[in-house]
Amino acid sequence: AQSVSQHNHHVILSEAASLELGCNYSYGGTVNLFWYVQYPGQHLQLLLKYFSGDPLVKGIKGFEAEFIKSKFSFNLRKPSVQWSDTAEYFCAGRGGSQGNLIFGKGTKLSVKP
Amino acid sequence: DTGVSQNPRHKITKRGQNVTFRCDPISEHNRLYWYRQTLGQGPEFLTYFQNEAQLEKSRLLSDRFSAERPKGSFSTLEIQRTEQGDSAMYLCASSLRTEWGGYTFGSGTRLTVV
Repeated sequence: AQSVSQHNHHVILSEAASLELGCNYSYGGTVNLFWYVQYPGQHLQLLLKYFSGDPLVKGIKGFEAEFIKSKFSFNLRKPSVQWSDTAEYFCAGRGGSQGNLIFGKGTKLSVKP
Repeated sequence: DTGVSQNPRHKITKRGQNVTFRCDPISEHNRLYWYRQTLGQGPEFLTYFQNEAQLEKSRLLSDRFSAERPKGSFSTLEIQRTEQGDSAMYLCASSLRTEWGGYTFGSGTRLTVV
């Protein structure tokens, strides 16, 4: 079955700490992976995406993610978080041929100033 | 504003009533998706349109749910005989056919069934 799992429900960090949010996927076929972010009171926004090629993908706002095929993982990283990174982060993978996505349950990130 | 617009933002309805939500995608986007998000969960796919054709429906979309996209522009999602379990945030997203996965999401319609 196709699935995307995020292991951390809520992560609390202090400003300047490094961030790594876990994401594992489980499905065959073409691997397309995404990270979306939802800031408080705002709509979901695309942070970055992996289709093929370089497994280290850089996104907006200093975020990056690494696709590790052997571990079925696509973890999101940021070297130094800011208070403004407080948001909920969703990992997603390709759900089918028509473009629908399968989302993980999300990880809420709280950054303390 | 050239984003995806959803109306209403909030809807409170009594169990058994019908409700309809509207989504206006970005004008040049030919793909439109509906998702549902409940508390503590990520968005779950409901249905997908390419232009006016509804090409895929999730098993979550029971026969009480219907979606349309007349003329390939705006879309409506109707829920008939609402149940408390329908309470959720209903999200609309749109994209270009060539922009796989690069959705633009709307802010959603929060439905509360009392």
